[in-house]
This record gives sequence, structure tokens and C-alpha cells, in this order.
Amino acid sequence: DGGITQSPKYLFRKEGQNVTLSCEQNLNHDAMYWYRQDPGQGLRLIYYSQIVNDFQKGDIAEGYSVSREKKESFPLTVTSAQKNPTAFYLCASSRNSNSGNTIYFGEGSWLTVV
Amino acid sequence: DAKTTQPPSMDCAEGRAANLPCNHSTISGNEYVYWYRQIHSQGPQYIIHGLKNNETNEMASLIITEDRKSSTLILPHATLRDTAVYYCIVRAIGNSGAGSYQLTFGKGTKLSVIP
Repeated sequence: DGGITQSPKYLFRKEGQNVTLSCEQNLNHDAMYWYRQDPGQGLRLIYYSQIVNDFQKGDIAEGYSVSREKKESFPLTVTSAQKNPTAFYLCASSRNSNSGNTIYFGEGSWLTVV
Repeated sequence: DAKTTQPPSMDCAEGRAANLPCNHSTISGNEYVYWYRQIHSQGPQYIIHGLKNNETNEMASLIITEDRKSSTLILPHATLRDTAVYYCIVRAIGNSGAGSYQLTFGKGTKLSVIP
């Protein structure tokens, strides 16, 4: 079944710990993205990648890191430097970086700091 | 991206057509109208998009007025699984950089399908 798979769905992190959220797509899309959604809020762009081995910061990149070693994978690490990491994280992809292309989303990952 | 205005909530009887309106009076000529929906605790699901012609796919129909200042998403036979928040978004084409990936989700319309 084609799509975008995020894991884990729910994750609890202790303060001071880094955690990595996985995102895999089998749509053969070049572009991948990470967004953050807070309750009752819209989406905010964290990082995006237009091609393998390349990525750019979005609006709220501080405290996050990414890698794009494979076309199908774009993991997000939430570091201890992120002051308010509790949120719903969404991975997305599109055929390429042209803004006319539709962006498709994964099911999301809930991160809670305890 | 231009702002959109949607009613905060709507009810629809199961099996009837759900018509969700959206105003985008400041839309530019190079901006598409996109519709997504989001069920609680899930990622947004793409529904349909269009530029100026009406569009139909297996999920819905999109009717865009001739002046492009408003549109209506039509779910022809609503089911209980269509209960969700529906977002109308306008996105410019031909941009590059971070701005082209911005999806400005407003508060959307919470559609409740009633048995």
C-alpha cells in the first residue's frame, strides 16, 4: 500500500533527551517535509528537503535536526535544545519541490515531554 | 498565501450531500484552491484542488466561482466517516523556497455527519 509511514505514533520523552521520529515514503517523491501542529493551531514548517543529501530550515528549525540519506527516508530528531517539544509532528511529501504539486501527509506522531 | 474564510461548523445528515463553502476574496491569479480534511489525531488528508475549472474525483467535487473569490466542496453522499475538520487553502504556484511549502491551515469547518 503506497503512502507515508510515521513511527512511533506516540512517544514520551524525558527532559534533556533527544528523540528521533521516523518517516518513510514509498511514493517515489523527491520532496519531503516536517511540520509541527499544536492543539487548535495550524501547521508550522520545521525542515524540508528537495532532494537526497540536501535539506533546508523552515520557520521553526531551532532545536531540531534532520537527515536525508535516502530518497524514501527523512527522520527528524527533536533535541534537548527544543524548549517546548510537546506537539503533534507531521511528515509529508510531494512529487517535487514545485509548489504546484500536492503535499501528502503521514498519520502523525504525538510527542510528549514528561 | 491568501487568507480563507470558512464557517466554524456544519451538520449534515448521513447520505445527504455536504456542501462546504470557502471565501478567498483576495486570491491571486496564480493560486490554486486546495481542500484537506483532518480527523482528530490523524494527519491531514488531501481531498481535491483546482485553479479555475470545476473538479471532481472519487472523494468530492470542487466548484469554483467564475471570479474565483469563493468555492464549495461537495461530498455527494456523506457518511459518518466524513466527520472531520475541513480546511480550504490557497497556494501560489511557481514559487520556490520555504514559502512554497507553507500550508496556512486556518480553523477550518468542523463537519458533523448525523446518523
